Amino acid sequence: NAGVTQTPKFRVLKTGQSMTLLCAQDMNHEYMYWYRQDPGMGLRLIHYSVGEGTTAKGEVPDGYNVSRLKKQNFLLGLESAAPSQTSVYFCASSWPTGYGYEQYFGPGTRLTVT
Amino acid sequence: EDQVTQSPEALRLQEGESSSLNCSYTVSGLRGLFWYRQDPGKGPEFLFTLYSAGEEKEKERLKATLTKKESFLHITAPKPEDSATYLCAVQDGAGNNRKLIWGLGTSLAVNP
Repeated sequence: NAGVTQTPKFRVLKTGQSMTLLCAQDMNHEYMYWYRQDPGMGLRLIHYSVGEGTTAKGEVPDGYNVSRLKKQNFLLGLESAAPSQTSVYFCASSWPTGYGYEQYFGPGTRLTVT
Repeated sequence: EDQVTQSPEALRLQEGESSSLNCSYTVSGLRGLFWYRQDPGKGPEFLFTLYSAGEEKEKERLKATLTKKESFLHITAPKPEDSATYLCAVQDGAGNNRKLIWGLGTSLAVNP
């Protein structure tokens, strides 16, 4: 039982490049989330999904896109990376007992955009 | 404006020295308050959920309490392995606003 996994763990991009971050969970959770964590800003929600095939915008969605084609996977895409997107990205998942309850987090992806 | 404030920002304790971390919040309707622990380089790990004033939850050396304006995370006789950043988050259940509001955390260091 791996819980929530994220790939890659580290990535360096040049401005304008694109990439996709992959999140996978094996707990059969309905809800999945993408956060970014920056010093002095705390955790901020980028996008979330309440089920397979659904996505919704969070607090800071600009510059990111997501897809939830399979229940266990949640992808975060950066179409044209900018230095402001340098951050640590966390994926999380939770049971469908209510939005935000008892989220299980992955280990994070550290992204640097130069 | 919905807000979560954690204090202190950083706390250094000697092993065995009990203390409390504070999470004060301002929301229009509390749906739940959550405590998480985050170790360096890792994702947050869920600790507790509190739903209503007066509620208490315990886990090993940690005890979380909730009032109408704040929550405390009490650490009794801490050990060096309790060193981590402790995050508080609040869910505002008023109306259609169901987002989580996160605090910036308290960085706890326990010296042997």
